[in-house]
Amino acid sequence: DGGITQSPKYLFRKEGQNVTLSCEQNLNHDAMYWYRQDPGQGLRLIYYSQIVNDFQKGDIAEGYSVSREKKESFPLTVTSAQKNPTAFYLCASLRDRGTEAFFGQGTRLTVV
Amino acid sequence: QKEVEQDPGPLSVPEGAIVSLNCTYSNSAFQYFMWYRQYSRKGPELLMYTYSSGNKEDGRFTAQVDKSSKYISLFIRDSQPSDSATYLCAMSDGSYIPTFGRGTSLIVHP
Repeated sequence: DGGITQSPKYLFRKEGQNVTLSCEQNLNHDAMYWYRQDPGQGLRLIYYSQIVNDFQKGDIAEGYSVSREKKESFPLTVTSAQKNPTAFYLCASLRDRGTEAFFGQGTRLTVV
Repeated sequence: QKEVEQDPGPLSVPEGAIVSLNCTYSNSAFQYFMWYRQYSRKGPELLMYTYSSGNKEDGRFTAQVDKSSKYISLFIRDSQPSDSATYLCAMSDGSYIPTFGRGTSLIVHP
């Protein structure tokens, strides 16, 4: 079955450590996205990539970094510069502009 | 004013009720409209995808788009406790960045 796989489902890290969230898709979609979801705030766009080796900042990119070396993969690194990293992170993909977005099951990151 | 407005709820209804969920928007360039259902601690799953105005039906779900009023709706007939979730609307002007509403929390009680 085609889809988006995020791992791990739950992640705990100590304050000051960088952590990388994995996102893999086998939908052959060109565009991939990272969103952050906090209670009552909806989805906020962190980074997106329309094509391999290219990506753009979203609305809340500070403290995050990404790479897009392969079409299937779009990992997100939450750096120690992110002041409030505890959140639910969602990866998504689009086949083409204007089409529907498909989401992974999310990673719940807790920084202690 | 946000581009997409969606009442966060919660909306509480008895089992079997018809549920109406709504979003309003300000960008007249939006022409692709989506509804997602999100259960707690899960990723959103696509329920309906429509282009331009009109109605689209899928089982107990009906999506309605009124571009003249900049208003979209999702109707759920014969609601079930398993429909309890957060429902997000999303819209696109054909670009690579869809715009999401904040979501409406729906509770269907037996």
